[in-house]
Amino acid sequence: LAKTTQPISMDSYEGQEVNITCSHNNIATNDYITWYQQFPSQGPRFIIQGYKTKVTNEVASLFIPADRKSSTLSLPRVSLSDTAVYYCLVGDGTDSWGKLQFGAGTQVVVTP
Amino acid sequence: GAVVSQHPSRVICKSGTSVKIECRSLDFQATTMFWYRQFPKQSLMLMATSNEGSKATYEQGVEKDKFLINHASLTLSTLTVTSAHPEDSSFYICSARAGTSLAETQYFGPGTRLLVL
Repeated sequence: LAKTTQPISMDSYEGQEVNITCSHNNIATNDYITWYQQFPSQGPRFIIQGYKTKVTNEVASLFIPADRKSSTLSLPRVSLSDTAVYYCLVGDGTDSWGKLQFGAGTQVVVTP
Repeated sequence: GAVVSQHPSRVICKSGTSVKIECRSLDFQATTMFWYRQFPKQSLMLMATSNEGSKATYEQGVEKDKFLINHASLTLSTLTVTSAHPEDSSFYICSARAGTSLAETQYFGPGTRLLVL
């Protein structure tokens, strides 16, 4: 399974843009990159998914360079409610079931 | 978006008893469902993968006889923790995936907090 590396934690102030970069050097051709958000005692919530280039939705943007060995989740103008753990996951291109293995994630803390 | 529910949201049981946790996909049919366990301050750990109508596949180190998984329909998977012990106390989370394409997103349930006394 492709291994991902993210910063353990990031601090930000309200209204700022937060960018979390994830490294996945061993990503396979068939792998998609997916980001989830998790609040304490809740299940992860899907944020965004992409394969290459840039993906944007109403919540975030995902930037993926041509070599796909990394990706950056961009959260525009964060608020206090964006304090959570953010996980970057890469699907296992050899696994037809699409198993996901969670890494440690990035704890984002937003302060006033 | 797709909704996945879990029941119960929390359960307390005595050591040695069995506990069943249900995972349902409410607005889509889930070809594949996954079960995770999360201990405090840790990340999610994949326990097993289940496909409707077939036996579950367990991750290394997960006892299949202790964590019984049944995926009887395309909208329901159950996890039964048999002869639960205090060390089984954890947050159990399921996820569901609609299709077989690797682009299919996994949607997670809200989790079930299990406390074994």
